[in-house]
Amino acid sequence: AQSVAQPEDQVNVAEGNPLTVKCTYSVSGNPYLFWYVQYPNRGLQFLLKYITGDNLVKGSYGFEAEFNKSQTSFHLKKPSALVSDSALYFCAVKDYGQNFVFGPGTRLSVLP
Amino acid sequence: IAGITQAPTSQILAAGRRMTLRCTQDMRHNAMYWYRQDLGLGLRLIHYSNTAGTTGKGEVPDGYSVSRANTDDFPLTLASAVPSQTSVYFCASSATSAYTDTQYFGPGTRLTVL
Repeated sequence: AQSVAQPEDQVNVAEGNPLTVKCTYSVSGNPYLFWYVQYPNRGLQFLLKYITGDNLVKGSYGFEAEFNKSQTSFHLKKPSALVSDSALYFCAVKDYGQNFVFGPGTRLSVLP
Repeated sequence: IAGITQAPTSQILAAGRRMTLRCTQDMRHNAMYWYRQDLGLGLRLIHYSNTAGTTGKGEVPDGYSVSRANTDDFPLTLASAVPSQTSVYFCASSATSAYTDTQYFGPGTRLTVL
């Protein structure tokens, strides 16, 4: 069975500093990995996805994520955090023929 | 283009009552999904539909039913609500059910069962 772990409930970072939100996964086949962001009282918004190809994926709002097959990780990164990046971030994995499995979420707080 | 709309935005419901959450998309997506979001558990799939006329069970289907009479609408029904169904419910859709397709989410319905 596929699963996703986000080991940090909360990540705090100062504005202008780089940020990382961690995600590890477990699937039986090739992983298809996604990041979504949820702002307060809103639905989830798609940020980026890894299907195949380059391990570094660039997405919306300056975010990127690096797929690491040996470590089964797909960490979300941004070189310089903004206060407006404060939100709840979800990693999700999809296995061939299966539905999405979401991680529990990581709350990012960017402090001015 | 509205994308995905959900109604109601929020609802307080007495236990034992029947409730239908509505979801409509205008993107002509084939696949639609219902999730519930609970603190610390992320999103869990309740039911899905890969195309109009078909439905399937997700991770937590008990107590819920769905129908997919046409492409645009995917209502979720709680036949007899219980307090453990207090949650935020999100509807989502994707162009197809292919594993590479991105899902797009509605704004959610906050349901409280007393």
